[in-house]
Amino acid sequence: EPEVTQTPSHQVTQMGQEVILRCVPISNHLYFYWYRQILGQKVEFLVSFYNNEISEKSEIFDDQFSVERPDGSNFTLKIRSTKLEDSAMYFCASSEGGNEQFFGPGTRLTVL
Amino acid sequence: GEDVEQSLFLSVREGDSSVINCTYTDSSSTYLYWYKQEPGAGLQLLTYIFSNMDMKQDQRLTVLLNKKDKHLSLRIADTQTGDSAIYFCAVQSGNFNKFYFGSGTKLNVKP
Repeated sequence: EPEVTQTPSHQVTQMGQEVILRCVPISNHLYFYWYRQILGQKVEFLVSFYNNEISEKSEIFDDQFSVERPDGSNFTLKIRSTKLEDSAMYFCASSEGGNEQFFGPGTRLTVL
Repeated sequence: GEDVEQSLFLSVREGDSSVINCTYTDSSSTYLYWYKQEPGAGLQLLTYIFSNMDMKQDQRLTVLLNKKDKHLSLRIADTQTGDSAIYFCAVQSGNFNKFYFGSGTKLNVKP
């Protein structure tokens, strides 16, 4: 069964460093998303991406964040200068038609 | 934006039924979902219901939607120890791009 994959499973970085989280969505899906879940808190929407552009973003998704689909398979989330409060589990999701979303296993980001 | 609320914990005995509740605020919500998260894992879609339905049954899972009260529930029949996990309610707003999640209900199934 096709699934969304994410790498790495755990990323440790120093505050102020740039990180890139990678996702491979399901191949025939057209909509892509990033969410984050700070430990013990809600899963929060960050951004949605369709037709090679951001279709919606939340207040959390400020200038430190960017997304890219550099080729036909990968979907990346870049955090330019990480802060302690960026430590969270980051989930990528994809959907075919914009409703049912399939989630990846997540990348745990730890900022020291 | 949408506000989605769930109780944080539920403990049941193996074989009993579990009922996990969720309330939301946006009456224009279109699809409503239940996801399961096991320790260290991602979010697994369990089931979903479209807003013009009242009930959906899928094997041991029954979803009830009270649109007037903006209340969604997930009933798990014959709960097993393997059902122990965190269950997230998620609501899709009129804008198809955004999901709003509850804080999750941790279900503990005692043998």
